[in-house]
Amino acid sequence: AQKVTQAQTEISVVEKEDVTLDCVYETRDTTYYLFWYKQPPSGELVFLIRRNSFDEQNEISGRYSWNFQKSTSSFNFTITASQVVDSAVYFCALSERVTGQAGTALIFGKGTTLSVSS
Amino acid sequence: ETGVTQTPRHLVMGMTNKKSLKCEQHLGHNAMYWYKQSAKKPLELMFVYSLEERVENNSVPSRFSPECPNSSHLFLHLHTLQPEDSALYLCASSQAHRADYGYTFGSGTRLTVV
Repeated sequence: AQKVTQAQTEISVVEKEDVTLDCVYETRDTTYYLFWYKQPPSGELVFLIRRNSFDEQNEISGRYSWNFQKSTSSFNFTITASQVVDSAVYFCALSERVTGQAGTALIFGKGTTLSVSS
Repeated sequence: ETGVTQTPRHLVMGMTNKKSLKCEQHLGHNAMYWYKQSAKKPLELMFVYSLEERVENNSVPSRFSPECPNSSHLFLHLHTLQPEDSALYLCASSQAHRADYGYTFGSGTRLTVV
């Protein structure tokens, strides 16, 4: 079963529109972390936010905001007043214990490609 | 400038060639990772090194051979690859073998196997 589901494969919006990227996760751990990464055309994944499972407060950073709801296992990402520079692939990820190992690893969703046109 | 540097950025190789991908980090991290990113697929974790020891190998074919000579460098040696191995290969590092604080990624090597 997929651990991190990003149901939206591609989204296209016009500049200044608000857009929400959905992320639903699945885990048996009581302590876990959720992340969003941005991958611009240059290729590297850029860290946007980390949220631990005990902190359900929503967070706002400039035009970005995140809505974490444990009851629905969702961690959605909203961009307000989108800009062309927001065009990228956005990945949601979950840190999860690795079976048989002491450490944890990042499990990624398939990503959502956001295209913002002017 | 990213703290994780990958070279080369692009690589085209024939199926009988041998090549290596290089990853270098100057963040003082002691865990390093190789991910494969194919079109329309999630990022796939290939290998994990913690304190220079391989701690995970996710059923990766033997034509991919990792090497971690020290905590700052990670290599992926490639030989007799198949066209389906064409992908973006991403290197990442973290403070410890824990994803809790996230990873720092390099820009990747775009590999094309012909």
